[in-house]
Amino acid sequence: AQKITQTQPGMFVQEKEAVTLDCTYDTSDQSYGLFWYKQPSSGEMIFLIYQGSYDEQNATEGRYSLNFQKARKSANLVISASQLGDSAMYFCAMRGINTGGFKTIFGAGTRLFVKA
Amino acid sequence: DTGVSQDPRHKITKRGQNVTFRCDPISEHNRLYWYRQTLGQGPEFLTYFQNEAQLEKSRLLSDRFSAERPKGSFSTLEIQRTEQGDSAMYLCASSSFSRQTDTQYFGPGTRLTVL
Repeated sequence: AQKITQTQPGMFVQEKEAVTLDCTYDTSDQSYGLFWYKQPSSGEMIFLIYQGSYDEQNATEGRYSLNFQKARKSANLVISASQLGDSAMYFCAMRGINTGGFKTIFGAGTRLFVKA
Repeated sequence: DTGVSQDPRHKITKRGQNVTFRCDPISEHNRLYWYRQTLGQGPEFLTYFQNEAQLEKSRLLSDRFSAERPKGSFSTLEIQRTEQGDSAMYLCASSSFSRQTDTQYFGPGTRLTVL
């Protein structure tokens, strides 16, 4: 069975500092994709970054980077130079290409608080 | 590209009533997904369409739930005989299949409250 684990219910970070949000996953698929989404208090899920299981380089999108360690089955999100607007829930998600079918499974999320 | 839209944004209903939600995906996307999110949890997959075909349904989707995508464009999710446990945020997402990503883009959600 596929599973996503986010062990940090809440995180605090000082404005302008970097923060790492943890995500570990479990799958028997050889080919899969990992995603991070941001959910502000308004409720909309905002796509941030994608990492494919066969990608050799860590994905980066602006201030977001994904620290992908395949052997450890971890896909941590790093946010650099935190801003007050980064305060939100962050979800790690995975889609398995084979046994996962068409659905994407999500972790329970980490709430990030950015302090001024 | 106007993004994924959902209507209504909020719905309050009494137990036992039927409700219907609508989702309009990004126009060029052929895949459409419905998720349910309860407070403090991540979204849970409900069902998936490729064009007009419903290809996968979660066991969470009981007989009281039905989803359609009649012309491969917008989709509706109907809940019959609502129960208090149906209170949740219902999220719709769409994607355009590519071999490597299939990134799903979400709508703003419909928040259902069953009294």
